[in-house]
Amino acid sequence: RKEVEQDPGPFNVPEGATVAFNCTYSNSASQSFFWYRQDCRKEPKLLMSVYSSGNEDGRFTAQLNRASQYISLLIRDSKLSDSATYLCVRNQGGKLIFGQGTELSVKP
Amino acid sequence: ETGVTQSPTHLIKTRGQQVTLRCSSQSGHNTVSWYQQALGQGPQFIFQYYREEENGRGNFPPRFSGLQFPNYSSELNVNALELDDSALYLCATGGESYEQYFGPGTRLTVT
Repeated sequence: RKEVEQDPGPFNVPEGATVAFNCTYSNSASQSFFWYRQDCRKEPKLLMSVYSSGNEDGRFTAQLNRASQYISLLIRDSKLSDSATYLCVRNQGGKLIFGQGTELSVKP
Repeated sequence: ETGVTQSPTHLIKTRGQQVTLRCSSQSGHNTVSWYQQALGQGPQFIFQYYREEENGRGNFPPRFSGLQFPNYSSELNVNALELDDSALYLCATGGESYEQYFGPGTRLTVT
């Protein structure tokens, strides 16, 4: 089993849609979690940290369920500019462990 | 912008050669990590340096080695290049929090 597993992509959605990405992890000792966004042939960029209490940043909401070892990212009112690959990441002692990524394509 | 820079941006080498990639850290970030990203995959952790000492290593052979300098900049060295070493090499720097910020990467092609 992979240490971080994500929904297979690609997700093709129309502008304005709500889309949800899911991620599971296998090591309960993980300390912190993140979502990164990666545009084609560019570096990953930190989108948001993920907290047990859930956190929201504009149209983006992240949730962490430690008991189920499950992380989610919800994007509301999708924009064309949201098209990218979304990487679920866990941090264990400073080492970032990435999922394979889920590709999102938002169409007009 | 993250303030993390990498050089070169692109590089082509032949099998068996050696390569050195460089990363300069954002001011105040004393940790640097290196990752390898193959096409269609998430980045894989190679190793991390903290205050010039190796502070964790992923599942990569000893021919992958690194250095961190007093100004926190860093080098990744790969000896005896193999075709499978073709990838995007990313460095990431961080401070006291667990957040890490990536440079633009070096795209290495081994022929």
